[in-house]
Amino acid sequence: DTVLTQSPALAVSPGERVTISCRASESVSTLMHWYQQKPGQQPTLLIYLASNLESGVPARFSGSGSGTDFTLTIDPVEADDTATYYCQQSWNDPTFGAGTKLELK
Amino acid sequence: QVTLKESGPGILQPSQTLSLTCTFSGFSLSTYGMGVGWIRQPSGKGLEWLANIWWDDDKYYNPSLKNRLTISKDTSNNQAFLKITNVDTADTATYYCARIMGYGGPYWFAYWGQGTLVTVSS
Repeated sequence: DTVLTQSPALAVSPGERVTISCRASESVSTLMHWYQQKPGQQPTLLIYLASNLESGVPARFSGSGSGTDFTLTIDPVEADDTATYYCQQSWNDPTFGAGTKLELK
Repeated sequence: QVTLKESGPGILQPSQTLSLTCTFSGFSLSTYGMGVGWIRQPSGKGLEWLANIWWDDDKYYNPSLKNRLTISKDTSNNQAFLKITNVDTADTATYYCARIMGYGGPYWFAYWGQGTLVTVSS
């Protein structure tokens, strides 16, 4: 299995820039995707293939990276962005990171 | 507009077989490149991929659960199914189905259902 490692939690103030990292245990090329999950809701797709913004997702969200290191950036952060963010690879059998819980100060 | 909705038994006892149904609209599983996946999430925990089924009936399973999983589809009724045999309390989770975008390596879970909570308890 390809293990994806995310930092467990972050706290930022509205208006700030936040980066959420995801490190893969082996290279996944650019086959990395990001999801947002708000409490009590299903995950929703934010970014696919490392850097492609899903239709309808605000341009405040962006993704970058390749190989083993990937980043989801939110700039500027808004109160509505309080959620858990998951990375997921499709280089081989899909695996998800454990999620990064983003809290607003 | 793509929508998916999961349905299941709600509660079942250990050792029983869990049967889940995903009813979808806005796409067809008989169209080239289309796929549906199942993912689960225990309460307060992360996401675990279970299985995918593709338009050509190709199937892929999580190796750690493969001997307990069966995925299938009914293209005429726009449904996908997942069965998990011999459940225990560790299978208690919210189960999601999702439409897959892309095909082969570059694929992702683009649209998700609202999920159905399954509790395994004696």
